[in-house]
Amino acid sequence: SQQGEEDPQALSIQEGENATMNCSYKTSINNLQWYRQNSGRGLVHLILIRSNEREKHSGRLRVTLDTSKKSSSLLITASRAADTASYFCATDGRGETSGSRLTFGEGTQLTVNP
Amino acid sequence: ETGVTQSPTHLIKTRGQQVTLRCSSQSGHNTVSWYQQALGQGPQFIFQYYREEENGRGNFPPRFSGLQFPNYSSELNVNALELDDSALYLCASSGNRRGTEAFFGQGTRLTVV
Repeated sequence: SQQGEEDPQALSIQEGENATMNCSYKTSINNLQWYRQNSGRGLVHLILIRSNEREKHSGRLRVTLDTSKKSSSLLITASRAADTASYFCATDGRGETSGSRLTFGEGTQLTVNP
Repeated sequence: ETGVTQSPTHLIKTRGQQVTLRCSSQSGHNTVSWYQQALGQGPQFIFQYYREEENGRGNFPPRFSGLQFPNYSSELNVNALELDDSALYLCASSGNRRGTEAFFGQGTRLTVV
């Protein structure tokens, strides 16, 4: 079963605008990760934010995490047509060691129009 | 490029048949996880292997099985294929530290007819 929900399911914007995607989850987490997927191909890791962090930046990406509300947001600034893809949040809730075991949301389909 | 490679990229099988998918993990990673992604949905965790042992399993029946080899590469086997097994199968490798990022391969698109 999916851990949470992403909002919106689909987002269409013009090039140069900012895109904001939200993710909610249900259980306690170790970290939350955002991934991008082009046309049903492999997932590309964008950013990881740990449960004790509130905000993280990477280039044009800004991620926030509110563990009290069990929610996260991904902001893409100054979007480009090449940002068109599906974006997934994934939570890693393992209390044990041994790598990541991710629970994904349903994803947001972002379309950036030139 | 993540360094995680999967083969084959596409596969068509008949209901009832068996299939083996392969994954070579990124150098230095000893943990491999497999995910199933149905069309229009997010990936779902199948199972994880760490040092050649199964290390956790999602809500998938026993006809989904796997192996991990000493070089940390991995196989996913599915017996008695059903139409609903049609999906993109993704392999991810990661280090064994808690809370590390996972690197995904490009996936194998399995179609069961």
